[in-house]
Amino acid sequence: EADIYQTPRYLVIGTGKKITLECSQTMGHDKMYWYQQDPGMELHLIHYSYGVNSTEKGDLSSESTVSRIRTEHFPLTLESARPSHTSQYLCASSPGVRVGNQPQHFGDGTRLSIL
Amino acid sequence: KQEVTQIPAALSVPEGENLVLNCSFTDSAIYNLQWFRQDPGKGLTSLLLIQSSQREQTSGRLNASLDKSSGRSTLYIAASQPGDSATYLCAVNTEDDKIIFGKGTRLHILP
Repeated sequence: EADIYQTPRYLVIGTGKKITLECSQTMGHDKMYWYQQDPGMELHLIHYSYGVNSTEKGDLSSESTVSRIRTEHFPLTLESARPSHTSQYLCASSPGVRVGNQPQHFGDGTRLSIL
Repeated sequence: KQEVTQIPAALSVPEGENLVLNCSFTDSAIYNLQWFRQDPGKGLTSLLLIQSSQREQTSGRLNASLDKSSGRSTLYIAASQPGDSATYLCAVNTEDDKIIFGKGTRLHILP
C-alpha cells in the first residue's frame, strides 16, 4: 500500500500555465525529495527538504519551486510551464539524519506533458 | 564527480534462470548503496540497502554484494520469475550526502 501519494498521476497542459504537483506522506518522515526522470534515463534530484521550512536545490537545475509548510506535504510548482518541462516527476521521503541513511519511499510519480 | 553505470542496459532471460545485474561507481567514498525496482509508470521500491562497511545483503531470492574498493556492486536474482520483470536501479549515497542513480537495467523474464 502507498504511504506516499502524488497527484495528479498524469497531466497534459498548455504552455504558460501555472502547475502544482502534490506530494503527501503519512509516515512522519522529515526528509522529502523531488526527482525528475526522463524515459530510460537516470533520476535527477531537483529539490529536497530536511523538514518544515527547509528547502534545498538539488543537482539538476530546475525552474520549479517547492515549499514545506507541513511535515507531510511537499508540493512542487512551475509558474509558467514550457515543453522542456515535459518529464516524469517522482516524490520520495525518508527518515534518518542523512539523506540516504534509510531507504527512500517513492510515490508513483506524475507524468507531465506540456503542449 | 561520482558516476554510476549499470550493465547491461537491458536483459531478457527465460524463467527459472539465475541472473546477475552489475553496477559500478567511480568514487569509492560512498556511505551506502541501494538497489531499487521500478515498474512501468510507477515509482521506485527499495529492495536492498548495503552500508559501506557491509559486503552483502540478502532478501528472499535477492542478494546484493558490495566491493567498495573496486567500485562495484552486483544484484543476484535466483530462480527468476515473470513477476521479476522490471527496471532495476542502483544508487550510491555519497559521503557528502547526495544520492546518485544509475540509468537502470531493464529486465524481462520470459515465461
